[in-house]
Amino acid sequence: ILNVEQSPQSLHVQEGDSTNFTCSFPSSNFYALHWYRWETAKSPEALFVMTLNGDEKKKGRISATLNTKEGYSYLYIKGSQPEDSATYLCAFPYNQGGKLIFGQGTELSVKP
Amino acid sequence: ETGVTQTPRHLVMGMTNKKSLKCEQHLGHNAMYWYKQSAKKPLELMFVYSLEERVENNSVPSRFSPECPNSSHLFLHLHTLQPEDSALYLCASSQVTGTGDTYGYTFGSGTRLTVV
Repeated sequence: ILNVEQSPQSLHVQEGDSTNFTCSFPSSNFYALHWYRWETAKSPEALFVMTLNGDEKKKGRISATLNTKEGYSYLYIKGSQPEDSATYLCAFPYNQGGKLIFGQGTELSVKP
Repeated sequence: ETGVTQTPRHLVMGMTNKKSLKCEQHLGHNAMYWYKQSAKKPLELMFVYSLEERVENNSVPSRFSPECPNSSHLFLHLHTLQPEDSALYLCASSQVTGTGDTYGYTFGSGTRLTVV
């Protein structure tokens, strides 16, 4: 059974703080690692799809790194803003063909 | 609007009812998915239609029945559900290449289902 683990489960930070959280996934048979942001009452939105070991991707103040050999990815948010409050999900393909297994998510709350 | 439209947004149904959830995408994607989210649990894959092949999670009860008449439309038919089936049902689509690689999913807004 494939397991995708995210930590922490929840995080409360002040506006302006930088933060990061972790996604752990099986290191064998790696295809890709996805990150999504899910705001309350909205649809999950794709942030990054990462495929190469050592890859680093950036979107504004959010960036992600990938270590496929040890099976983890970090998501970083620099200078958190209240609008960053959301649940951040990572997902790992079950196999080739698009079937994603999701982690439980990290719920981020940024207070003004 | 994300490009994936789900209807209805909310549904309350009795255990003896038959209802259907609808999902529509006009992104040109070739794969569509049904996911279920119960409280405090990860998104759980129910069904996939990818490259015209249906794949299902063997743990999904037969009271859930998917239908994909074409690459743009996906239905989830519901019949004699149980209260524990109350959850958020999300539809998603993606583009899957011939080698099986996938780009990010585009999700719909979900249907909040309550079974009474």
